[in-house]
Amino acid sequence: GDSVTQMEGPVTLSEEAFLTINCTYTATGYPSLFWYVQYPGEGLQLLLKATKADDKGSNKGFEATYRKETTSFHLEKGSVQVSDSAVYFCALKTGGFKTIFGAGTRLFVKA
Amino acid sequence: EAGVAQSPRYKIIEKRQSVAFWCNPISGHATLYWYQQILGQGPKLLIQFQNNGVVDDSQLPKDRFSAERLKGVDSTLKIQPAKLEDSAVYLCASSSIRDRTDTQYFGPGTRLTVL
Repeated sequence: GDSVTQMEGPVTLSEEAFLTINCTYTATGYPSLFWYVQYPGEGLQLLLKATKADDKGSNKGFEATYRKETTSFHLEKGSVQVSDSAVYFCALKTGGFKTIFGAGTRLFVKA
Repeated sequence: EAGVAQSPRYKIIEKRQSVAFWCNPISGHATLYWYQQILGQGPKLLIQFQNNGVVDDSQLPKDRFSAERLKGVDSTLKIQPAKLEDSAVYLCASSSIRDRTDTQYFGPGTRLTVL
């Protein structure tokens, strides 16, 4: 069945460091791919999305490129801030109705 | 625009008791989702409604969980009787059918502790 695999956390970085959170997926068909973020004490919110191969989603300095050949959607940011500390979830949605989430990766950014 | 509202925010019950959660989606959103998020895991879809019809409830433990969305607006999720393993955060989300990518907007969740 369809699934999403994320790198395990927590990931701890110093401010201004480069961030990569790996995400790979297994899906039949051509899914839409998402990154959601959950800040402390808040609900999940969409960070970025991509709907077809080679699309790049971007928001708040974060980017992810839909790579069909490697079935990946890795999240990157060139310079993280303390305010980026959160849990990040990779997710996919196929032509069916269900959205499948990864287990989440917790990011801590130190000042 | 108001977001997705959920209540209560926290609930503590004994096993075998009943509990109900309420969700009010963003105005105009036809699709409503209930997810279960166990600590350390990603959200797992329990049930999805479009208007007041069920689209997917394949992962809903129907022997103890039930959900309804009368009138196609707000929704309630009930657990009866609760088990220890039901301790989790229950998330409600909604989306607009006019958004082809189906971006979901989440409420703050209800944290359930079963003792």
